[in-house]
Amino acid sequence: SQLAEENSWALSVHEGESVTVNCSYKTSITALQWYRQKSGKGPAQLILIRSNEREKRNGRLRATLDTSSQSSSLSITATRCEDTAVYFCATVASSGSWQLIFGSGTQLTVMP
Amino acid sequence: EAAVTQSPRSKVAVTGGKVTLSCHQTNNHDYMYWYRQDTGHGLRLIHYSYVADSTEKGDIPDGYKASRPSQENFSLILELASLSQTAVYFCASSDAANERLFFGHGTKLSVL
Repeated sequence: SQLAEENSWALSVHEGESVTVNCSYKTSITALQWYRQKSGKGPAQLILIRSNEREKRNGRLRATLDTSSQSSSLSITATRCEDTAVYFCATVASSGSWQLIFGSGTQLTVMP
Repeated sequence: EAAVTQSPRSKVAVTGGKVTLSCHQTNNHDYMYWYRQDTGHGLRLIHYSYVADSTEKGDIPDGYKASRPSQENFSLILELASLSQTAVYFCASSDAANERLFFGHGTKLSVL
C-alpha cells in the first residue's frame, strides 16, 4: 500500500524560477524525508523533517510538514538546470511497519 | 561522503538462472537495505539487515534472498530469475534505522 504520494507526476520551470513539489500521506508518521534522484544515479536525501517540526531548510531548499492535513511540500528557490531530477517523499509510520515508504516521485525539469 | 558500491552496474540474466547482486559500504553503518525500482515508480523494500549474519524481510521479499556476511557486505540473490524481476536494484546503508539513507548507483537487471 502506498503510504506517501507526490501530487504531480511532472513539473517544469525555467532557470531562476521557484517551484514547489507537494506530497500527501495517509497515516501518522514519525518523520518525512525528501530525496532527489538524478538520471542514472541513486537517490540522495535532501531533508529529513520530524513530526514535531513544521519547517526545515537546506540552502535553497525548504520543506514544510503539516501533520493535520498529512501533507508536506518541498520548495526550491532560484532553480538551476542541475536541479533537474525526480523528487521523492518518503515516510515512516509511527505504528506498525517501520519501513521507509517512498512515493512514486515527481519529475522536475529545469529549462535554461 | 559515505560510499556504497554496487556490482555489477548492469546484468542480463536468463529466466530460471541464478543472479547475485553485491553491495559494499565503507560507511561503518549497521543498517543495509535492498530496494527495487520499476520504471516510473518509487522504491520498494525487498530485504534489510541491521547486523551481520542476519537479514529481515521487507515489503516484497518473495523470489529474493539476502545475505549479510559482514558489516560491509550485503548481497541480494535471485535463485530462479523471472521476467517480472527485471528492474533497477538499489542498495543503501544508514547509521540508524530509516534515518539518512546513502544509496549506491544501482544495478540494472534485465531478465530475458
